[in-house]
Amino acid sequence: EAQVTQNPRYLITVTGKKLTVTCSQNMNHEYMSWYRQDPGLGLRQIYYSMNVEVTDKGDVPEGYKVSRKEKRNFPLILESPSPNQTSLYFCASSPDRGLGEQYFGPGTRLTVT
Amino acid sequence: GENVEQHPSTLSVQEGDSAVIKCTYSDSASNYFPWYKQELGKRPQLIIDIRSNVGEKKDQRIAVTLNKTAKHFSLHITETQPEDSAVYFCAATSSSFNKFYFGSGTKLNVKP
Repeated sequence: EAQVTQNPRYLITVTGKKLTVTCSQNMNHEYMSWYRQDPGLGLRQIYYSMNVEVTDKGDVPEGYKVSRKEKRNFPLILESPSPNQTSLYFCASSPDRGLGEQYFGPGTRLTVT
Repeated sequence: GENVEQHPSTLSVQEGDSAVIKCTYSDSASNYFPWYKQELGKRPQLIIDIRSNVGEKKDQRIAVTLNKTAKHFSLHITETQPEDSAVYFCAATSSSFNKFYFGSGTKLNVKP
């Protein structure tokens, strides 16, 4: 089954404790992206990747890191999480840059206390 | 960067009526405009999209119109049904189709 998976789905952590949210797709898509969703703000792009070893900042990259060592995986790293990073995070992938449908993962609900 | 504004933030219609959601964008270089539907507790899913060389696109009860001169695009849903109740997001992207800017969302409630 073609899908985008994220882990964990829910995470409660404390300020400053490094964490990684994994994202994996099995559709051989070149384009992958991370978004955060906050009430009243819609979806905001954090980072995106056009292909392996090619990543770039989205609209709200501060406090986040990403890597793309393999085509299928695109982890999101929070080196020192802060309460303002409490949010719902979505990973997405697309076969042709960002043109056409982006397939979203199920989301990761992160709470930083 | 691009700024996408979406209105209204909430919309309540009677089943069978039409619903219209409007978005404006600021960057005239944007040329791809998708619409996503997000049901409660679910992930966003693409429902329709339009490229800047097209003025209108229709898919059954859903249509999108684009006015490049005025820099606005709209989602039209006809004969609304309760299952259309969801949050709808518009988005705009640059000519390289890599950076995306989403609107703040419209919560549509279709009353039976």
